[in-house]
Amino acid sequence: AQSVTQPDIHITVSEGASLELRCNYSYGATPYLFWYVQSPGQGLQLLLKYFSGDTLVQGIKGFEAEFKRSQSSFNLRKPSVHWSDAAEYFCAVGARGGADGLTFGKGTHLIIQP
Amino acid sequence: NAGVTQTPKFQVLKTGQSMTLQCAQDMNHEYMSWYRQDPGMGLRLIHYSVGAGITDQGEVPNGYNVSRSTTEDFPLRLLSAAPSQTSVYFCASSYSPASGRWNEQFFGPGTRLTVL
Repeated sequence: AQSVTQPDIHITVSEGASLELRCNYSYGATPYLFWYVQSPGQGLQLLLKYFSGDTLVQGIKGFEAEFKRSQSSFNLRKPSVHWSDAAEYFCAVGARGGADGLTFGKGTHLIIQP
Repeated sequence: NAGVTQTPKFQVLKTGQSMTLQCAQDMNHEYMSWYRQDPGMGLRLIHYSVGAGITDQGEVPNGYNVSRSTTEDFPLRLLSAAPSQTSVYFCASSYSPASGRWNEQFFGPGTRLTVL
């Protein structure tokens, strides 16, 4: 069965600093990988996705992620965070083209210091 | 397009009551799923469907029933609510046959359920 691990429950970053959120997955075939963001009391918004091809994917709001098959990782990065980036971030992996849903990590709560 | 819609937004139930959470999508998506979100647990898959008349269990199906009579609708039923079912519920859909390929899951706004 597939699984997703987000090792950091909370991360605190100063505004303007760079950010990296870690995600490791376990899956037996080619994974479909996603990063979602959730602001308090809100639904989920897709930041970016990886299906195949170029291992560095660009997303919305200045985020990018790099797929590293050898490390089973799909880390999310942003060169300079803004206070509005404070939110909960979820990494997810899909199987069988998504027919049987996604498996999510437990999330990383991002806190931005002024 | 309205996307994925869920009703109600909020609901309070007493233990033992039943109710149906509604989910509808207007994107002609074949795949639909229900998740629950609990603090510190991320989202966990309850049930999913790959098309009308076809449903299957996810990671946490106990206490929930689903059916898929149309492509558009995928209701989630709680037959006898328990406090452990207090959660935020999200419906999602993906895969348009017209595109011939799967894309990301589109999520509804969620239903916040409290069982007393």
